[in-house]
Amino acid sequence: QSVLTQPPSASGTPGQRVTISCSGTRSNIGSNTVNWYQQLPGTAPRLLMYGNSQRPSGVPDRFSGSKSGTSASLAISGLRSEDEADYYCVSWDDSLNGYVFGVGTRVTVV
Amino acid sequence: EVQLLESGGDLVQPGGSLRISCEASGFTFSGYAMSWVRQAPGKGLEWVSDIRRNADNTHYADSVKGRFTISRDNSKNTLYLQMNSLRVEDTAVYYCTRDGFWDSWGQGTLVTVSS
Repeated sequence: QSVLTQPPSASGTPGQRVTISCSGTRSNIGSNTVNWYQQLPGTAPRLLMYGNSQRPSGVPDRFSGSKSGTSASLAISGLRSEDEADYYCVSWDDSLNGYVFGVGTRVTVV
Repeated sequence: EVQLLESGGDLVQPGGSLRISCEASGFTFSGYAMSWVRQAPGKGLEWVSDIRRNADNTHYADSVKGRFTISRDNSKNTLYLQMNSLRVEDTAVYYCTRDGFWDSWGQGTLVTVSS
């Protein structure tokens, strides 16, 4: 059972906006930053967002992140077919003294 | 270009041991903390362990504490994970990743624990 709660799936049509939530507690998201990773089928994860809302170079500005209290979210605007992937949130947990992931959200472009 | 190359994955019987490695290149290895993250077949990502730059501090997930040991050799630019008392549930692809923001990942090495 994952410590951070994410919806197992999300979907949208091309061009739509999709938002993925990541819910935690005071000991993880409430006290530390959140990073997001994209994993395309059969490949290693790729850093998509760090420090809650910072995009690494090369990540399109269609992707945005935010955090409020003990929850974070990732938004994909202008959804494209190549965005079909699994998306994971992760944060450090002060109580567990380790990193905790969300279960992952599979985004489908219908 | 940052490169991380994992190796050493194999088929092991339950209760057995295995050491996997991650060779780093393209950056100053000794300047970064490093982590191992694993992914069981068809499942999500799970953080396993991390180690500080000079190996003076390590952390482990509760699921592997007491069985796995992370280490590094900065002279060889290599990260290791010694896995003992392996269980079927340890079956996974093991990735090494560079700490900070885990901005670079290897391709992973498959560890299969089965009789």
